[in-house]
Amino acid sequence: DTGVSQDPRHKITKRGQNVTFRCDPISEHNRLYWYRQTLGQGPEFLTYFQNEAQLEKSRLLSDRFSAERPKGSFSTLEIQRTEQGDSAMYLCASSQLQFSGNTIYFGEGSWLTVV
Amino acid sequence: SQQGEEDPQALSIQEGENATMNCSYKTSINNLQWYRQNSGRGLVHLILIRSNEREKHSGRLRVTLDTSKKSSSLLITASRAADTASYFCATVGANSKLTFGKGITLSVRP
Repeated sequence: DTGVSQDPRHKITKRGQNVTFRCDPISEHNRLYWYRQTLGQGPEFLTYFQNEAQLEKSRLLSDRFSAERPKGSFSTLEIQRTEQGDSAMYLCASSQLQFSGNTIYFGEGSWLTVV
Repeated sequence: SQQGEEDPQALSIQEGENATMNCSYKTSINNLQWYRQNSGRGLVHLILIRSNEREKHSGRLRVTLDTSKKSSSLLITASRAADTASYFCATVGANSKLTFGKGITLSVRP
């Protein structure tokens, strides 16, 4: 399968614990995005990378959130000291930058429930 | 912040009918993309239309774009029960990231 892969698909954690999500983009895609989606809402942008460089971070990304893409391939999103408000689906997407417009492909998402 | 606004918020039709969904946005765009999302799943890319294009087709899908009105529409012809899902439009500006609306819930009754 050559799609965007996310792991784990579901995570239940206690408030205050740290969690990490992993995303493997489509091979050779140089752009990687993280989004968050809550029930009944559209996805909200969190951050994106071009290769290993993190180019933009949303104000939604508090100091408890950190994302990395160390070798320009897979990425991790870590949430420290989780809060109930962090419960959401975390979506990863990737694309190949093109001047003519880039189709952005999403993974299946990682569901986080903070109890 | 969410740029797009889809209309209607919910749509219920009979199998075989056409479904039309509209999207409006606020700022200039590079392209606009439509996605489908089944309950609890990730987003599936349907179609991309660039700012210099007015209409695109893909199978039973037809997308239009009117940049003067900052609006787009998605038409699904001959709908099927399997088309039941949420549909999102998302705009891409100069910053190359997607900005989504709240989505449209489509129900196709068998």
